[in-house]
Amino acid sequence: GENVEQHPSTLSVQEGDSAVIKCTYSDSASNYFPWYKQELGKRPQLIIDIRSNVGEKKDQRIAVTLNKTAKHFSLHITETQPEDSAVYFCAASDSNSGYALNFGKGTSLLVTP
Amino acid sequence: SAVISQKPSRDICQRGTSLTIQCQVDSQVTMMFWYRQQPGQSLTLIATANQGSEATYESGFVIDKFPISRPNLTFSTLTVSNLSPEDSSIYLCSETDSKSRGYTFGSGTRLTVV
Repeated sequence: GENVEQHPSTLSVQEGDSAVIKCTYSDSASNYFPWYKQELGKRPQLIIDIRSNVGEKKDQRIAVTLNKTAKHFSLHITETQPEDSAVYFCAASDSNSGYALNFGKGTSLLVTP
Repeated sequence: SAVISQKPSRDICQRGTSLTIQCQVDSQVTMMFWYRQQPGQSLTLIATANQGSEATYESGFVIDKFPISRPNLTFSTLTVSNLSPEDSSIYLCSETDSKSRGYTFGSGTRLTVV
């Protein structure tokens, strides 16, 4: 099955700096790559996603890049704010394997003022 | 996007008993899934709930321990049977209808087994 690796496990940045989280996946058939933000005690919330026919997608301060050849994708958060502090999960899904999401282990992001 | 109502939000159960968790979606959806999230960990897929047929379980999860029902396109239940302290975790349901809409999650059920 799909194996998603995520790095780093923890990340601390100063407010206003950029944060980058990287994920790799094993199944070349994977074609959907979402990123979720989970605050303590809450459900995961989709923040951005990208499909295999696109190399980059941006939504205000958040961007995701995908390199299908290398099987990796990254989350970029610019101008970080303290409210960006949370755990971020990447995931991959393959329509040939029933559409279920396989998650990375998560990155705990701390943005200090 | 669809809204999922999940209940109970939390429960404390005696070992050896069972807990049934319900998820109701406010629209018909193609796919529903059940995940487990242990404290400080990532989400692990338990199974895909198939409407009108047996669920598809991931390695390490079996039907006798985690029976799942999905009687229609808006509702699913997960039962965690013969509870032990190792089953203490958060259980979440998830849905997707089309690839263009992404996946949403229920609010989770925090289970504590004593």
